[in-house]
Amino acid sequence: NAGVTQTPKFQVLKTGQSMTLQCAQDMNHEYMSWYRQDPGMGLRLIHYSVGAGITDQGEVPNGYNVSRSTTEDFPLRLLSAAPSQTSVYFCASSAYSNSYEQYFGPGTRLTVT
Amino acid sequence: ILNVEQSPQSLHVQEGDSTNFTCSFPSSNFYALHWYRWETAKSPEALFVMTLNGDEKKKGRISATLNTKEGYSYLYIKGSQPEDSATYLCAFPNTGGFKTIFGAGTRLFVKA
Repeated sequence: NAGVTQTPKFQVLKTGQSMTLQCAQDMNHEYMSWYRQDPGMGLRLIHYSVGAGITDQGEVPNGYNVSRSTTEDFPLRLLSAAPSQTSVYFCASSAYSNSYEQYFGPGTRLTVT
Repeated sequence: ILNVEQSPQSLHVQEGDSTNFTCSFPSSNFYALHWYRWETAKSPEALFVMTLNGDEKKKGRISATLNTKEGYSYLYIKGSQPEDSATYLCAFPNTGGFKTIFGAGTRLFVKA
């Protein structure tokens, strides 16, 4: 089991560029989430999904898009990168069967210049 | 938006000290409370998943208690070691579990 995988590990973008952060899990978890980590603010929820085809907004959704076409994959799209989106991004998956304990990917460090 | 608050924000202790942190969360619509340990340059990993009022969980020198009626949980570390240095997060999944909100964390520094 690979658990939760994320690519890329590091990325530098120029303001206005778009890109997709990839996330995949092989644990057959129904729930998946994207968080961003900023100094002093812990983890903030960007978007989440409760199953294939179903997504919704978290605390800080502006500037990001998600889709979930399969149980395994949950990509995060930055539509037009801004310096305020410089952060570390974590993808996580969870299941009802273990009280929604979050399993995290290794993170993607994104810098927008 | 749910409010999950942790205190203190950071803590500096000497090796061998015992310490504790607090997590407060909404007491209504409780489903579960999670504690995670987050080392620098790594991903958060779950320490405890707590679901029942009065729950006490233990893993080695680390333990946690839960009071769902008043909306708080304590994490205790007995005899802190330098390897305990990390950020400790608590998290509150909503009923239905699809939205988990994290506190800002308590950053622990243990000096040898």
